[in-house]
Amino acid sequence: GQNIDQPTEMTATEGAIVQINCTYQTSGFNGLFWYQQHAGEAPTFLSYNVLDGLEEKGRFSSFLSRSKGYSYLLLKELQMKDSASYLCVPFGGGGNKLTFGTGTQLKVEL
Amino acid sequence: ETGVTQTPRHLVMGMTNKKSLKCEQHLGHNAMYWYKQSAKKPLELMFVYSLEERVENNSVPSRFSPECPNSSHLFLHLHTLQPEDSALYLCASSQEASGNSYEQYFGPGTRLTVT
Repeated sequence: GQNIDQPTEMTATEGAIVQINCTYQTSGFNGLFWYQQHAGEAPTFLSYNVLDGLEEKGRFSSFLSRSKGYSYLLLKELQMKDSASYLCVPFGGGGNKLTFGTGTQLKVEL
Repeated sequence: ETGVTQTPRHLVMGMTNKKSLKCEQHLGHNAMYWYKQSAKKPLELMFVYSLEERVENNSVPSRFSPECPNSSHLFLHLHTLQPEDSALYLCASSQEASGNSYEQYFGPGTRLTVT
């Protein structure tokens, strides 16, 4: 099975930087996704990490340490529209099943 | 049209009705999924189709019946639903290769209300 641990809620200021941490335990590991989900909307893909290290994509970066079962999502130059839920989604053991947790609800304030 | 589309976007049905949700993907993917999301709860995987074959059924009640006629279309047939089945139903697709999973692209969802 899978166990995902990330903070339930975070608050940050517009223009700031925020880091959302995620620790996970999986039976086998193939990779880790981060998704963004605005309230009442479908999740949208943000990043995918397979190897250790940092993947940067514009204002968003994602880091993975497979040995530590740890990942983080870094959001820079926060904007109000970044207020959403951020889902850490590891998958393992082959196949195509992803397990979604409740995510981290990020609130960006002025 | 691009991406993953779902119809209808909103549906209100009585407990004795029969209705179907439709999903279509224009991405050339070979796997499709149905998820249920209830208020303030995580996504629950319902069904997975890979190469038009059902490969996963997560103990979903028989009042939900999926159908995948081809790799681009996925249906969820609904009958004699309960009020607790009211939720956002999301369809997703991905490209599978050699048992590896790739990012899933989601449709906008169908907001279902059972009265």
